Amino acid sequence: DAGVIQSPRHEVTEMGQEVTLRCKPISGHNSLFWYRQTMMRGLELLIYFNNNVPIDDSGMPEDRFSAKMPNASFSTLKIQPSEPRDSAVYFCASSLGGDTGELFFGEGSRLTVL
Amino acid sequence: RKEVEQDPGPFNVPEGATVAFNCTYSNSASQSFFWYRQDCRKEPKLLMSVYSSGNEDGRFTAQLNRASQYISLLIRDSKLSDSATYLCVVTPNAGGTSYGKLTFGQGTILTVHP
Repeated sequence: DAGVIQSPRHEVTEMGQEVTLRCKPISGHNSLFWYRQTMMRGLELLIYFNNNVPIDDSGMPEDRFSAKMPNASFSTLKIQPSEPRDSAVYFCASSLGGDTGELFFGEGSRLTVL
Repeated sequence: RKEVEQDPGPFNVPEGATVAFNCTYSNSASQSFFWYRQDCRKEPKLLMSVYSSGNEDGRFTAQLNRASQYISLLIRDSKLSDSATYLCVVTPNAGGTSYGKLTFGQGTILTVHP
């Protein structure tokens, strides 16, 4: 079975440009999470969805960040405009939504903003 | 205070050594606890759950002390392949549903050398 699929794997862009990261969760999973990982701050939860509905976006750093989940098989995280401090690895993860503790992560999107 | 705190290490140990990692969490209402493993430039993956009575999985032993809000991971007879970052993870809520939301510590880096 396919795992969580993220694209792009790597993106290098210039400050001020719009960045869109994409995620396809595991089929049948009804919770989807966007995390950001940096050396300084570790893994931070940005936003999560349950049954395509945003549940908690309190981790979204600023209005420059937005996330959508138009259907059960697709989600996007958009940064507009991007800034150098947004450089990080962005992980999407999905789960069945209970408290099993098992999130299935994608391989991540490594973003560099120059 | 961070919700989940870990000693970042790094821990450098020889093959065959026993090594222990500790973690504290701030939310006394946290319900569930886990250890994840993250290899260099890879995504995090669930290593094991942590149960109140303590639990073992081969060379790995996890312990939970709710009174002290403390979690530990012990690795016996360490192997080169154990080199990774170990992430302490908690579910933040008690009661209701968290939809699988997890809060990660910053991780402890382990390097096992020949």
